[in-house]
Amino acid sequence: GDSVTQTEGLVTLTEGLPVMLNCTYQTIYSNPFLFWYVQHLNESPRLLLKSFTDNKRTEHQGFHATLHKSSSSFHLQKSSAQLSDSALYYCALPNSNNRIFFGDGTQLVVKP
Amino acid sequence: GGIITQTPKFLIGQEGQKLTLKCQQNFNHDTMYWYRQDSGKGLRLIYYSITENDLQKGDLSEGYDASREKKSSFSLTVTSAQKNEMAVFLCASSISNEQFFGPGTRLTVL
Repeated sequence: GDSVTQTEGLVTLTEGLPVMLNCTYQTIYSNPFLFWYVQHLNESPRLLLKSFTDNKRTEHQGFHATLHKSSSSFHLQKSSAQLSDSALYYCALPNSNNRIFFGDGTQLVVKP
Repeated sequence: GGIITQTPKFLIGQEGQKLTLKCQQNFNHDTMYWYRQDSGKGLRLIYYSITENDLQKGDLSEGYDASREKKSSFSLTVTSAQKNEMAVFLCASSISNEQFFGPGTRLTVL
């Protein structure tokens, strides 16, 4: 069945360092859509960025990700972390029945 | 733009009690969802609904009922609250697979 794997439960890094949060997926669908959602403390998740096109970089609010069907990956990156990036990040994969499969989430903690 | 409202914002119940959470959206989205989020943990799908009067079970449907009598509303019932249960219940609606989340209902069972 469809699934999303986020290998890191917690990522802690110092402000100014690059961010990379891993996301791999499994699906039988040949043209998957992948999403990243961000949830700040005491808020609800909201869409950060999305991708429909293989090997095309998508960017929003300083973050970027590229869907790679060859490796079933959609890793989230940012060149320089800010304190305000501290949040819970979810990778998500919708299926053809309107169900959305979320990964377990990665808690990003950015320290001064 | 649109908005999703969830009522109540805070819900305190007693063990064994039947509790109902409500969600309304004015996006005119077809699909709506209920998720449970335990402290510091991920989103677990309880029920979703593709259209009015449709119900689809998620991974955590046992112990819950849901109802979608109108396109704009989706309610969730905890059939028997468990002692010391604490969680946030998030409602969402979607268009083109993008999800929009409500502010949540925080449940505490005494």
